[in-house]
Amino acid sequence: EVQLVESGGGLVQPGGSLRLSCAASGFTFSSYWMTWVRQAPGKGLEWVANIKQDGSEKYYVDSLKGRFTISRDNAKNSLYLQMNSLRAEDTAVYYCARAPYGSGQYYYMDVWGKGTTVTVSS
Amino acid sequence: DIVMTQSPDSLAVSLGERATINCKSSQSALYSSNNQNYLAWYQQKPGQPPKLLIYWASTRESGVPDRFSGSGSGTDFTLTISSLQAEDVAVYYCQQYYPTPGTFGQGTRVEIK
Repeated sequence: EVQLVESGGGLVQPGGSLRLSCAASGFTFSSYWMTWVRQAPGKGLEWVANIKQDGSEKYYVDSLKGRFTISRDNAKNSLYLQMNSLRAEDTAVYYCARAPYGSGQYYYMDVWGKGTTVTVSS
Repeated sequence: DIVMTQSPDSLAVSLGERATINCKSSQSALYSSNNQNYLAWYQQKPGQPPKLLIYWASTRESGVPDRFSGSGSGTDFTLTISSLQAEDVAVYYCQQYYPTPGTFGQGTRVEIK
C-alpha cells in the first residue's frame, strides 16, 4: 500500500525550530518529486515547497524562503522540512504529498499523508 | 503570485441535485508547449487530508465516481457534481500547478440542503 506518514510536529515557542519528517512506503520514493503543503486551523491549503527526485532542485513559496528548508534521504525513503525562526502564523497541519510518476517540476499531488500538527506558541 | 478565486465560498444542495463550483485564475493555466491546463481539484473531508479528484482540468483520478467532472480552460474552470450524495459533503479546492508555487483557491464548502 502506498503510504506517507508525517511526524515531528508539536508545540514550539516563537523563534524556535522544528524538523518534520515524512516516511514513504509502498512505492519507489527516489522516483518521485515530493511536496510539503500546510493548512492553518480553519483555513485553506498553502503550498510550501517541493523537491526533485535526486534533491538537486528545490522550490519554495516566496514568503517562506530563508526560514524553511526541504530535503530528502532516498536511502531512508524520507522527506524532511526544517523550519527555523518559527512564528505564530506557521501554526498549521503540515502534509507531505507525492507527485505522479514521471511528472516534471509542475504537478498535482496524487498521494497525501495524514499530516502532522505544528503549534507555535509561548 | 497567481491568485485563485473560487465561487461560491459555500453552497447547499439537495441530495441528487447538481453542485457547481467555479475557479478563476489570475493567470492562464494553459501551458502552450503541451496545450494542457495545469489545474487540479481536491476534496477534503473534516479531519482528513485532501484527496485528488481531477487533474489536467478534466481528467478524473482513478476510483473517483463519474458524478464528478471538471471543465474549463485558460483562466476559468468548473467542478460539477452531477448528483450530490451525502458522502460528497466536504470542502473542495482548485489548484493551479504551473508555475511554482502551486497556488490553491480558498475552498468551497458543499453541504446538504
